[in-house]
Amino acid sequence: RKEVEQDPGPFNVPEGATVAFNCTYSNSASQSFFWYRQDCRKEPKLLMSVYSSGNEDGRFTAQLNRASQYISLLIRDSKLSDSATYLCVVNVNAGKSTFGDGTTLTVKP
Amino acid sequence: DAGVIQSPRHEVTEMGQEVTLRCKPISGHNSLFWYRQTMMRGLELLIYFNNNVPIDDSGMPEDRFSAKMPNASFSTLKIQPSEPRDSAVYFCASRTGGNSPLHFGNGTRLTVT
Repeated sequence: RKEVEQDPGPFNVPEGATVAFNCTYSNSASQSFFWYRQDCRKEPKLLMSVYSSGNEDGRFTAQLNRASQYISLLIRDSKLSDSATYLCVVNVNAGKSTFGDGTTLTVKP
Repeated sequence: DAGVIQSPRHEVTEMGQEVTLRCKPISGHNSLFWYRQTMMRGLELLIYFNNNVPIDDSGMPEDRFSAKMPNASFSTLKIQPSEPRDSAVYFCASRTGGNSPLHFGNGTRLTVT
């Protein structure tokens, strides 16, 4: 079993749709969690951190469920510019950062 | 502020040649990571350093790969000899503490023919 698993996608949605991605992790000692966005042929870039109480940044909402060991990302009112691959990342304290394989999102007009 | 700087951006070489990839982390960051990304295998962690010391190199594919971090501002990933299956994008990333997010360089796109 992989340490971090994501919905494989791809997700194809119309503009304005709401879309949600999930990610599960296997190491219960994981301490911090993030969502990254990667555009084609570019480096991954931090989208947002994920906090235990849940957090929101504009149209993006991230949530963490430690008991079930999963994190989620919700995108509301999706835009064409949201088309990208979304990667979840899990850090074991002071240790390695492990990435999921990513979920590809395509937003269509 | 300057981000993570990698060089070269592109490298094309013939099988059997030595390849050296370079990385300068963000100043003040004490952890440095090397990743490899391919379509088939996604983003794989090769090795990471804390305070210039290699902590986990279990992701290094084989003895042909080696990485060094002689000081806090420089790291190299070397492949000798290179093989076509090493073709990938190699990313370097750095962070401050263990609970901080990674910041990536632009990557080096390696093609081994």
